[in-house]
Amino acid sequence: NAGVTQTPKFRVLKTGQSMTLLCAQDMNHEYMYWYRQDPGMGLRLIHYSVGEGTTAKGEVPDGYNVSRLKKQNFLLGLESAAPSQTSVYFCASSYKIGQQGNIQYFGAGTRLSVL
Amino acid sequence: SQQGEEDPQALSIQEGENATMNCSYKTSINNLQWYRQNSGRGLVHLILIRSNEREKHSGRLRVTLDTSKKSSSLLITASRAADTASYFCAQTGYSTLTFGKGTMLLVSP
Repeated sequence: NAGVTQTPKFRVLKTGQSMTLLCAQDMNHEYMYWYRQDPGMGLRLIHYSVGEGTTAKGEVPDGYNVSRLKKQNFLLGLESAAPSQTSVYFCASSYKIGQQGNIQYFGAGTRLSVL
Repeated sequence: SQQGEEDPQALSIQEGENATMNCSYKTSINNLQWYRQNSGRGLVHLILIRSNEREKHSGRLRVTLDTSKKSSSLLITASRAADTASYFCAQTGYSTLTFGKGTMLLVSP
């Protein structure tokens, strides 16, 4: 049982390049989330999904897109990377609200540097 | 931003001492959770306290909740070097969590 798996673990991009971060969970969770973590800022929600085929904006969605084509996968895309997107990105998943109170299970993170 | 605030931002103690971290939040909650993050790792859920509960225990952890003051505290008793980590509170919204900025705890042997 792998839990939440993020790929890649590290990535360096040049300004303007694009990339996709993949999150996969094997717990049959309905909800999935993408966060970014910056020093002194805690975790901020980028986008989330409450089921296959659905997505919603979080606190800091600009510059990112997401897709949830399969229940177990949640993709985060950067269309044109900017230095301000240098961060550590975390994916998380959870059961529906009301089940376990929305306890979230996190991946190990992706460290992204944009030069 | 609806982020809560943890206090203190950093805490340094000796093994065997107790560590207390506080969390203030801004909106009404269904429940409040605490997570731990070891350096370079993802967050791990520690404990959840519901809005109608005032205190909850789990092993060496004790969490209190005061909804009238919109605050919670996490007490780690008899701390160990392995407790060194960042600790975050998170308030539950309709389908999302709002995390605070965290307290960095350093436990020295």
